[in-house]
Amino acid sequence: VQLLGSGGGLVQPGGSLRLSCAASGFTFSSCAMSWVRQAPGKGLEWVSSISGSGGNTYYAESVRGRFTISRDNSKNTLYLQMNSLRAEDTAMYYCAKESGSTSYGGMDVWGQGTSVTVSS
Amino acid sequence: DVVMTQSPLSLPVTLGQPASISCRSSQSLVFSDGNTYLNWFQQRPGQSPRRLIYKVSNRDSGVPDRFSGSGSGTDFTLKIRRVEAEDVGVYYCMQGTHWPLTFGGGTKVEIK
Repeated sequence: VQLLGSGGGLVQPGGSLRLSCAASGFTFSSCAMSWVRQAPGKGLEWVSSISGSGGNTYYAESVRGRFTISRDNSKNTLYLQMNSLRAEDTAMYYCAKESGSTSYGGMDVWGQGTSVTVSS
Repeated sequence: DVVMTQSPLSLPVTLGQPASISCRSSQSLVFSDGNTYLNWFQQRPGQSPRRLIYKVSNRDSGVPDRFSGSGSGTDFTLKIRRVEAEDVGVYYCMQGTHWPLTFGGGTKVEIK
């Protein structure tokens, strides 16, 4: 089981970025997925989750309306579209696998993380 | 939101000695299905988090049996029976019962 995050980088405040998480080694469409972030030197913060089918999505209040989680089960890939980025969105972003299609909060496998820096 | 409070913030431990981390939630973590969705994660320096314990007391595959989880309702504990050098890192509890999902602030385990 492997999760490979990508798409991070340096972006100006107000800008956009799309993160990807390529999954392998398990039946992707059978598992909900989550994004968790970690600001430099800080703890873990849940960002967003999506059901296995993609039909249900959940967001932290801090990102609702600015971030969009989605998935392409034909490509075994999870996405996080981040718009209107702020300095406080600067963090390492981790994707995590959930244990079932509509099970959340399990996070049994984590990706290596992709770094996002929002700065002018 | 459910607030997860961990203590202590920092835990210096002598090699071979036990360690204990407390995690308290601001609401009961018992879900309507009867399960309690409380997990523990380990984050070693420079690495991604790794789940150690799920649903309070179930150890993940490959996790040494010196790690154990216990508790109920709002009060939970992670114990390391005899700390080894590879256990250095930050430990987080996380609740998956209520939206939004929330983590504790972390406990840093270091060797004395």
